[in-house]
Amino acid sequence: QKEVEQDPGPLSVPEGAIVSLNCTYSNSAFQYFMWYRQYSRKGPELLMYTYSSGNKEDGRFTAQVDKSSKYISLFIRDSQPSDSATYLCAMSVAAGNKLTFGGGTRVLVKP
Amino acid sequence: ETGVTQSPTHLIKTRGQQVTLRCSSQSGHNTVSWYQQALGQGPQFIFQYYREEENGRGNFPPRFSGLQFPNYSSELNVNALELDDSALYLCASSMKSPVSLAGELFFGEGSRLTVL
Repeated sequence: QKEVEQDPGPLSVPEGAIVSLNCTYSNSAFQYFMWYRQYSRKGPELLMYTYSSGNKEDGRFTAQVDKSSKYISLFIRDSQPSDSATYLCAMSVAAGNKLTFGGGTRVLVKP
Repeated sequence: ETGVTQSPTHLIKTRGQQVTLRCSSQSGHNTVSWYQQALGQGPQFIFQYYREEENGRGNFPPRFSGLQFPNYSSELNVNALELDDSALYLCASSMKSPVSLAGELFFGEGSRLTVL
């Protein structure tokens, strides 16, 4: 069993819909949680960062962390075709430490 | 643009050969990490260098080695290439300090290695 599980998708939604992504994990020592966006043949780009449990909002993006359930989520409101990409969750035990990534969810937003 | 540049962008090697991949960190960053991303999978941590010393290593064999230079640029070397080494190799730089955030890794575009 992988340390971080993520549904590979693809997840197809119409433009303007809410995209809901999530990851589950098994290591209760994880304290830092991130979401990255990766376009085809590009490097990952940091979207959201959260420390410990709680919610964080940044524009159209909302990240949620529930450490008691070992479950994190990313919501994208008013989705656009430019949001079509692979979304990777990542987490680490300590600041500056190695990141453990999920396998990524491919998202397709159709015009 | 993250300011992290990698070279070469693509290369093809044959099994048993050696390869060197290079990374130029974002200005002011003192830490570099290398990740391997196989097709359709998430990146896997190879190792991290901080101030020219290895500062953590993932589950990769010793034939994966690295260097960080005084200007904080870095190299990843892989000896005795195997078919399974075919992947996108990502370099990420960050600034390690008591107040730096764990997630603030800035990735390059990667070097895509194909081993035949």
